[in-house]
Amino acid sequence: AQTVTQSQPEMSVQEAETVTLSCTYDTSENNYYLFWYKQPPSRQMILVIRQEAYKQQNATENRFSVNFQKAAKSFSLKISDSQLGDTAMYFCAFMKRNDKIIFGKGTRLHILP
Amino acid sequence: NAGVTQTPKFQVLKTGQSMTLQCAQDMNHEYMSWYRQDPGMGLRLIHYSVGAGITDQGEVPNGYNVSRSTTEDFPLRLLSAAPSQTSVYFCASSYRGAGNTIYFGEGSWLTVV
Repeated sequence: AQTVTQSQPEMSVQEAETVTLSCTYDTSENNYYLFWYKQPPSRQMILVIRQEAYKQQNATENRFSVNFQKAAKSFSLKISDSQLGDTAMYFCAFMKRNDKIIFGKGTRLHILP
Repeated sequence: NAGVTQTPKFQVLKTGQSMTLQCAQDMNHEYMSWYRQDPGMGLRLIHYSVGAGITDQGEVPNGYNVSRSTTEDFPLRLLSAAPSQTSVYFCASSYRGAGNTIYFGEGSWLTVV
């Protein structure tokens, strides 16, 4: 069975700094998808970024980028120029083709003024 | 476009009572699922459906039933509520297929006393 591990339960950084959230996963599949979701205090789940495993190029969405290391089964999220609005819970998630999505336990990120 | 709508948003139940959490989506998504979120546990999959008439169990199905009579609706039934079912419940939907974005409802806060 697939598993997703986020080793940092909680992190704090100063506003404008860069922060990296870690995620590792375990799978025997070759084709799959990886996601980072943001959950602010409102509890809504917001898709931050998506990576397709067959694409070598790392996904980027404005200040958010990933470092996808397929051989190492690692999928970290980098937030550049962090903002107070980035304070949230961040979930890493895995999905194989036509199957359910599996979430990690999350990393609570605090951006300090 | 309403997206994914969950009702009720808040509910308090007594132990042994039954109730149904409603979920509806207006995007014609084939895939729908229910998650529960407990502190420190991330999102855990309860049940999911890949289309009308088809349901399957997730990671934590015990104590819950689902049905999918239409594409739009995917209700979650608690058969005999227990305090261990106190949680926040999220419904989600997406087009079936590899890597499609999953849309979440805003969550339902359930307390069992």
